[in-house]
Amino acid sequence: QVQLVESGGGVVQPGRSLRLSCVASGFTFSNFPMHWVRQAPGKGLEWLTIISYDGTNINYADSVKGRFTISRDNSKNTLYLQMNNLRAEDTAVYYCASNCGGDCYSSGYNWIDPWGQGTLVTVSS
Amino acid sequence: DIQMTQSPSSLSASVGDRVTITCRASQYIRNHLHWYQQKPGKAPKLLIHAATGLESGVPSRFSGSGFGTDFTLTISSLQPEDSAAYYCQVSYSDFITFGQGTRLEIK
Repeated sequence: QVQLVESGGGVVQPGRSLRLSCVASGFTFSNFPMHWVRQAPGKGLEWLTIISYDGTNINYADSVKGRFTISRDNSKNTLYLQMNNLRAEDTAVYYCASNCGGDCYSSGYNWIDPWGQGTLVTVSS
Repeated sequence: DIQMTQSPSSLSASVGDRVTITCRASQYIRNHLHWYQQKPGKAPKLLIHAATGLESGVPSRFSGSGFGTDFTLTISSLQPEDSAAYYCQVSYSDFITFGQGTRLEIK
């Protein structure tokens, strides 16, 4: 079955860096754009970034542009999120998720399904 | 940027009630609006895509409507397992964002 498993979360000091990984299985990873979405404790969902199936097109939310970098390795079925200069407000559960594929992506619909279980990042001194 | 206004932020309803949640976009987004359900401690689950498309396996009591700027998620007959948070999501012209969310409680 389709599965997305995030890892790399933990406690990190403000100003430090962290890299999250997401391993995909059960579908052809290289055919699908991918997202990172986060959720601060007790808060709503915040979309962060999307990468195209081949990594050539990337968009970021303004809140993380310049600090976070999304990338993918299709040979390893793995999505990454490099997070630099972390702040307390980056504390959240980070979800990786697949975009709809094919015409859905090319026509800009970009609904998000399925999702991983999330990994918690806590930024604290 | 497109602003999404989701309402209400929370509501309480009884089993069997008809429940409506709305999302309003600050500009025209055609039907590029999707709905998700999230239960505590779980990842979000896609319910409705492209404003009206019911996802496979989602109960038929869930429905979506709207086009342009105003969109609605309706639960026709509320069930206990529908207690959750609900979010709309827009994707239009390379802009993606979620609504603020609606927390639905069963009385």
